Amino acid sequence: KQEVTQIPAALSVPEGENLVLNCSFTDSAIYNLQWFRQDPGKGLTSLLLIQSSQREQTSGRLNASLDKSSGRSTLYIAASQPGDSATYLCAVETGTASKLTFGTGTRLQVTL
Amino acid sequence: DAGITQSPRHKVTETGTPVTLRCHQTENHRYMYWYRQDPGHGLRLIHYSYGVKDTDKGEVSDGYSVSRSKTEDFLLTLESATSSQTSVYFCAIRGGGRGEAFFGQGTRLTVV
Repeated sequence: KQEVTQIPAALSVPEGENLVLNCSFTDSAIYNLQWFRQDPGKGLTSLLLIQSSQREQTSGRLNASLDKSSGRSTLYIAASQPGDSATYLCAVETGTASKLTFGTGTRLQVTL
Repeated sequence: DAGITQSPRHKVTETGTPVTLRCHQTENHRYMYWYRQDPGHGLRLIHYSYGVKDTDKGEVSDGYSVSRSKTEDFLLTLESATSSQTSVYFCAIRGGGRGEAFFGQGTRLTVV
C-alpha cells in the first residue's frame, strides 16, 4: 500500500526567505506526483504536476523536483510572500483508474 | 476554475438519515472521485468512477454508495449517516492520460 509522508507538518518563515517542502512515498512505481495548495476552508488548487519520466517542473516562484527511485519530491518556493501561507499537499498516482494517494500536508506560514 | 460544482456546500443532518452529495462537472472528464478530509488523516478516497455507470470502491467506502448516470454528475450517498461521517467531502475530476486532478470547493457535512 502506498504511503505518502510530508515533513515538516508545519513551518513558519519570514517573508522573503526561500524554503523547501518535502514529500516522500513508499512505492516508487508511480505515474506522476502532483503538488496542491489548500487555503483554510477551501478546496485544493493544483500547483504542479510532475510525470514519472520528468525530474522537475517550474511555475513562477515554484519548482518541484522528483526522484522516483528514492521516493522523494521537494517543492521549492523562492522569495516567499505572506500570500503563500497555506497548506501544501503532495499526492502520487499509482495503480489503475488514476487514483491519488495524499500526504497529510505541510502548513506554511509566511510572516511579515 | 476547473468547472466543478459541489452541492450543498454545508449540511447538518441527524444520525440515521440518508444524505446525498452532488458533484457536477462541465469539463466532460472521464474520471471522477469522492474524497473525505479529516484532521490527521489527510484526504482519503471513498469511491471513484471511470465512466458512466462504472464505479469502484476506494479505501474508506464502508457506509457510502455512489452513482453516475451521466458524465457530468457523480453522486455520493450516505445511506444512514453516522457521527463518524462528519467530515469535509471533496469531489475531484481528471481527464485521464495521467493528467492533473482538479478539485471542487468541498462540502462540510456535520452529523449530529
